[in-house]
Amino acid sequence: DVQLVESGGGLVKPGGSLRLSCAASGFTFSTSYLNWVRHSPGKGLEWVSTISPNNGYIYYADSVKGRFTISRDDGKNSLYLQMNSLSAEDTAVYYCATEGYCASTFCYNVGWGQGTLVTVSS
Amino acid sequence: QLVLTQSPSASASVGASVKLTCTLSSGHSSYAIAWHQQQPEKGPRYLMKVNSDGSYSKGDGIPDRFSGSSSGDERYLTISSLQSEDEADYHCQTWGTGIQVFGGGTKLTVL
Repeated sequence: DVQLVESGGGLVKPGGSLRLSCAASGFTFSTSYLNWVRHSPGKGLEWVSTISPNNGYIYYADSVKGRFTISRDDGKNSLYLQMNSLSAEDTAVYYCATEGYCASTFCYNVGWGQGTLVTVSS
Repeated sequence: QLVLTQSPSASASVGASVKLTCTLSSGHSSYAIAWHQQQPEKGPRYLMKVNSDGSYSKGDGIPDRFSGSSSGDERYLTISSLQSEDEADYHCQTWGTGIQVFGGGTKLTVL
């Protein structure tokens, strides 16, 4: 079974930095597209960033471009999100997710973590 | 611009069926979408991918009560034989070039 466990969230002051981690197991990490998605209070889910296998493609939402950096360590089956210049608008639960792939009637290696809360406040 | 639109809320009774809708923005009617369920105080759960032709593929352990379909620029999630644990937020998601987009989510209340 796909298992994703986020860590690294917490309370940080505006302008501060935080590094989130996501430990993965139960699927072939190195060949998977991985995402960070956040959920702010009272809002829907918001895609943050995607990284492809072998770091071939990296994408960011406009709201975090230039401030956040996604990375992966396939040897450790881990995904990371370095967040700099944080503001109150970045307050959210951050989830890592694996996209997997679908064939016929079944989707493989898809899943979400339980999330880690980031609160930006003075 | 790639946008997904969902009704903010829906309700149905235990044992009944409900059909949730996710509408793609103009010019994107060929796009597939994914449905995710988020129960209170939990992380999202992948339900299925729904293609423009109405075919769908489900994630591991998703009951047969959950099915998908399509019509034009609309993608649907149908839940039959509703149970109390189906009360949750349901999010749709799609993929563009270098971006991903989520709808605003539909809060399903099971009466």
